[in-house]
Amino acid sequence: DAGVTQSPTHLIKTRGQQVTLRCSPKSGHDTVSWYQQALGQGPQFIFQYYEEEERQRGNFPDRFSGHQFPNYSSELNVNALLLGDSALYLCASSLYGRVTDTQYFGPGTRLTVL
Amino acid sequence: SQQGEEDPQALSIQEGENATMNCSYKTSINNLQWYRQNSGRGLVHLILIRSNEREKHSGRLRVTLDTSKKSSSLLITASRAADTASYFCATDQTGANNLFFGTGTRLTVIP
Repeated sequence: DAGVTQSPTHLIKTRGQQVTLRCSPKSGHDTVSWYQQALGQGPQFIFQYYEEEERQRGNFPDRFSGHQFPNYSSELNVNALLLGDSALYLCASSLYGRVTDTQYFGPGTRLTVL
Repeated sequence: SQQGEEDPQALSIQEGENATMNCSYKTSINNLQWYRQNSGRGLVHLILIRSNEREKHSGRLRVTLDTSKKSSSLLITASRAADTASYFCATDQTGANNLFFGTGTRLTVIP
């Protein structure tokens, strides 16, 4: 039973650049949520994708966008990177758009913006 | 913004001892969950307690919920070195349809 996978593991970018992070949900899951976790903090909800649409969004600017594909995998895109975007980006999967039920997390992508 | 706040921020105990960490939150909730995170990697779900439940057990874990005080506690009994991790509570705030995580408790279990 394949768990949640994310790529890449680590990424280094410079200010102003754009980045794309990828996530494949747990086998059988159809909902993907993205979280940002700054050092020493808890994860903060960015948005959720279900049925290829953004269903919920946290308090993040439009520089953060995403996409969900027919196979339920998802991408997180961040444009015009700022130093403050440096964080661990976590993807979580669940079923039927239920982001408040048990979430299954991937290992994360560590993004460093220089 | 983060809904929950864990207490203490850091806890260090000897192997075999019990560890208790607390979570306080600000608004009404549908459920509260606890997650564990090892070394800044992915989170692992431990237990979910619904707002109409007061206590729940899972193996060496015991969770209580007091909705009148807007607080929850996680007890890990007979701790092991492998329990060393950060522990987060996450609340399902009524009407929000997403999870709000606290700031976490960093637990160190000394062999």
